[in-house]
Amino acid sequence: GENVEQHPSTLSVQEGDSAVIKCTYSDSASNYFPWYKQELGKRPQLIIDIRSNVGEKKDQRIAVTLNKTAKHFSLHITETQPEDSAVYFCAASKGDSWGKLQFGAGTQVVVTP
Amino acid sequence: GAGVSQSPSNKVTEKGKDVELRCDPISGHTALYWYRQSLGQGLEFLIYFQGNSAPDKSGLPSDRFSAERTGGSVSTLTIQRTQQEDSAVYLCASSRNRGQETQYFGPGTRLLVL
Repeated sequence: GENVEQHPSTLSVQEGDSAVIKCTYSDSASNYFPWYKQELGKRPQLIIDIRSNVGEKKDQRIAVTLNKTAKHFSLHITETQPEDSAVYFCAASKGDSWGKLQFGAGTQVVVTP
Repeated sequence: GAGVSQSPSNKVTEKGKDVELRCDPISGHTALYWYRQSLGQGLEFLIYFQGNSAPDKSGLPSDRFSAERTGGSVSTLTIQRTQQEDSAVYLCASSRNRGQETQYFGPGTRLLVL
């Protein structure tokens, strides 16, 4: 089955700097890659997703890139702010088992003022 | 509108007892998912339902775990003969349609097995 690895497990950045989180996946049939943000004590929320027919997607300060050949995808947060502090999870799924999201272990991002 | 709700929010039980966790999806959402999140860990897929189709149970860790969805809406996750390793937060999510789209999560049920 699909295996998603996420790095780093923790990331500390200064406010205003960029943060990058990387994930790799094992199943080349995976074609949907969402990113969820989970603030302390709260439920996960989707922040951005990308499908395998595009290589990059951007939404304000957040962008995701996908390299299908290398089977990895990354989350980029620019101009980080304290409210970006949270745990970020990447995930992957494929069409024939579309509801079965396989999540990475998460990255704890801490943005220091 | 109302989001995904789960009950109870917290559950403490003794090893060997059965527990039932409930999920109310967003009205009109046809797909429903259950995940488990152990302390400091990622989300572990358990099961998902889509309409009247047979659920994908491939993530259930043992035959002590089962889930049902009545009337295409409310779902119940049952854990029989609970073990200490079952202690975790159980999260439910729903999405509007069949397909790879946004899953909206509930607040979770924190289960502690003593």
